[in-house]
Amino acid sequence: LAKTTQPISMDSYEGQEVNITCSHNNIATNDYITWYQQFPSQGPRFIIQGYKTKVTNEVASLFIPADRKSSTLSLPRVSLSDTAVYYCLVGDSGNTGKLIFGQGTTLQVKP
Amino acid sequence: SAVISQKPSRDICQRGTSLTIQCQVDSQVTMMFWYRQQPGQSLTLIATANQGSEATYESGFVIDKFPISRPNLTFSTLTVSNMSPEDSSIYLCSVEYNEQFFGPGTRLTVL
Repeated sequence: LAKTTQPISMDSYEGQEVNITCSHNNIATNDYITWYQQFPSQGPRFIIQGYKTKVTNEVASLFIPADRKSSTLSLPRVSLSDTAVYYCLVGDSGNTGKLIFGQGTTLQVKP
Repeated sequence: SAVISQKPSRDICQRGTSLTIQCQVDSQVTMMFWYRQQPGQSLTLIATANQGSEATYESGFVIDKFPISRPNLTFSTLTVSNMSPEDSSIYLCSVEYNEQFFGPGTRLTVL
C-alpha cells in the first residue's frame, strides 16, 4: 500500500477554488487514488476515486498526471461547510478492502 | 449505499474495565473493518472482520485487547478490554459496499 504525502493544512475563502495535491511516488499498477472528507465528530465520507487522467463528479474533480505519482483534488467554489479534513488514499482496495489513511489535509474555509 | 450505525455513540469508562461497541449495517456485506482515531490524529486500521472467520489484526493490535465478533453479514462488535487512558479514542467501523462507508464513530473516554 503506497504511502501518501499531503499538506497538513490549507486556508481558503468562500467562493474560491481549492486544489489539494497528494504525492504518492510508490503507487502500484493496480492502485486507485481515493479521496475522503471528514467533518468533526463524523466518519470519513467518500468524495471521488480515479485511476488516471481526470475524473469529475458533482462534488469535486480529481486530476492525475500520466506518471500517477501525484494527484490533485479540486473543490470548485468552496463554502464554509467545506471546512473539513481531506484524506488522499492509494491502494487496491478492491482486493483487500483495507484503507490506509495518511495524515490528511485540514482545510479551513473563511468567510 | 450502506447506512451504518454504532452503539454507543460515546461513553466514559473507568480504567481496567471493558467496553463493547456494536456496529450495524443496513445491507449484507462481506468485509467489515474497525478503525481507531486518536485525538487530532488520522485513522488507524485495527482489524478486518469477515463473517465466518477470525478477525485479522494489523500490526500493533492483538485479539486479547480488541476481541471482535462477526456473527452475521450485517453486524459486528469490537471490545476494548482492560482499558487505560491511552485507549481514549474514536472507534469507527467501516464496510465495503461498492465503495467504503464509515459509521459515525464511538467516542470513548477512559478515566
